[in-house]
Amino acid sequence: DQQVKQNSPSLSVQEGRISILNCDYTNSMFDYFLWYKKYPAEGPTFLISISSIKDKNEDGRFTVFLNKSAKHLSLHIVPSQPGDSAVYFCAASARSGGSNYKLTFGKGTLLTVNP
Amino acid sequence: DTGVSQDPRHKITKRGQNVTFRCDPISEHNRLYWYRQTLGQGPEFLTYFQNEAQLEKSRLLSDRFSAERPKGSFSTLEIQRTEQGDSAMYLCASSPDQFFGPGTRLTVL
Repeated sequence: DQQVKQNSPSLSVQEGRISILNCDYTNSMFDYFLWYKKYPAEGPTFLISISSIKDKNEDGRFTVFLNKSAKHLSLHIVPSQPGDSAVYFCAASARSGGSNYKLTFGKGTLLTVNP
Repeated sequence: DTGVSQDPRHKITKRGQNVTFRCDPISEHNRLYWYRQTLGQGPEFLTYFQNEAQLEKSRLLSDRFSAERPKGSFSTLEIQRTEQGDSAMYLCASSPDQFFGPGTRLTVL
């Protein structure tokens, strides 16, 4: 049972345009969400996070939106750059109640930004 | 560089051999996690330490796997009698927002 789903295995966008990566979750206990970027043969790099008490968090070109009622979050990258080409993972954790904060990941979306 | 280091970066071994990986987390972080990533999948949780105490182990962590974190600093993950299905990237992360090391790529021949 996959609790975090990234239904698009890949996404291709033009440089300068917006990239929108989507993620759905099923576990209502999840209250903290993170996005990571990963290049081959490297560990995931933390990009941005959002707590369930918010619906939006922004950091430079990256914005994460959370829709709790739909159990859906998205990562917007504006403007997209060729260096953004990588696999993007959505991850979720349950931080309340003394949890250990372990992360549950989606399968990832390969983003390709074309010059 | 996230400040989390892992050694070795790559390990090739023959089936049946034992291997050990090391993780050095960010020094002030007391939470340390091990994950495993196989091709086409996201990282999957293996085990969690708070300081030196191992507080949770995933069902993915069979009895051939053991992890330690002596003195609450670096951690080791040992796999005994390796199998081809153990081939994966083994990732270490330290908290709060989990910063990952570069991973150890294990290939079991």
